[in-house]
Amino acid sequence: QKEVEQNSGPLSVPEGAIASLNCTYSDRGSQSFFWYRQYSGKSPELIMSIYSNGDKEDGRFTAQLNKASQYVSLLIRDSQPSDSATYLCAVNWGFGNEKLTFGTGTRLTIIP
Amino acid sequence: DAGVIQSPRHEVTEMGQEVTLRCKPISGHNSLFWYRQTMMRGLELLIYFNNNVPIDDSGMPEDRFSAKMPNASFSTLKIQPSEPRDSAVYFCASSNREGSEQYFGPGTRLTVT
Repeated sequence: QKEVEQNSGPLSVPEGAIASLNCTYSDRGSQSFFWYRQYSGKSPELIMSIYSNGDKEDGRFTAQLNKASQYVSLLIRDSQPSDSATYLCAVNWGFGNEKLTFGTGTRLTIIP
Repeated sequence: DAGVIQSPRHEVTEMGQEVTLRCKPISGHNSLFWYRQTMMRGLELLIYFNNNVPIDDSGMPEDRFSAKMPNASFSTLKIQPSEPRDSAVYFCASSNREGSEQYFGPGTRLTVT
């Protein structure tokens, strides 16, 4: 059973600080990794994708992938109250299969 | 550019009734996914299509659930007969290539009483 694990939180971070969200996955051969943000009552919104080891930056967001250790993380710099949401990690296992397996999500609250 | 479109946005029905959820993927996307989200089980993939062909339906909970994709711009998820435990938010998502980003529609909140 391929699994994706996240700390459910809640994670509380002061406004302006760095929020760090972590995700581990069970299959070493996994190919693609995604972070989605979901506001309460809304649909998941893709915010980052990462396919190779290392860091990928997009504005205030940085995704970090370490395939050897089987974890992927999301850093949010200069956290804003509007970043308060649930963040879902998703993994594509590859090999011609387009399925994504989602973690249960981490609820992030930015404290003004 | 329009995103994934789903209808209805809310559906309330009585146990035993047939429910049909609809989805229009992003134009040009060739893969379509149906998900279900509940507090207990999180976000689960039910079925996905590639080029209108069902590829993996291993997540469909039972025979009461069926999905079709008659053309590249339309898909349906049908539950017949519906049961209270089917109450959830159902999302449709689409993508344009293998292993790539999936974009979600606004979802249909289904309540079965």
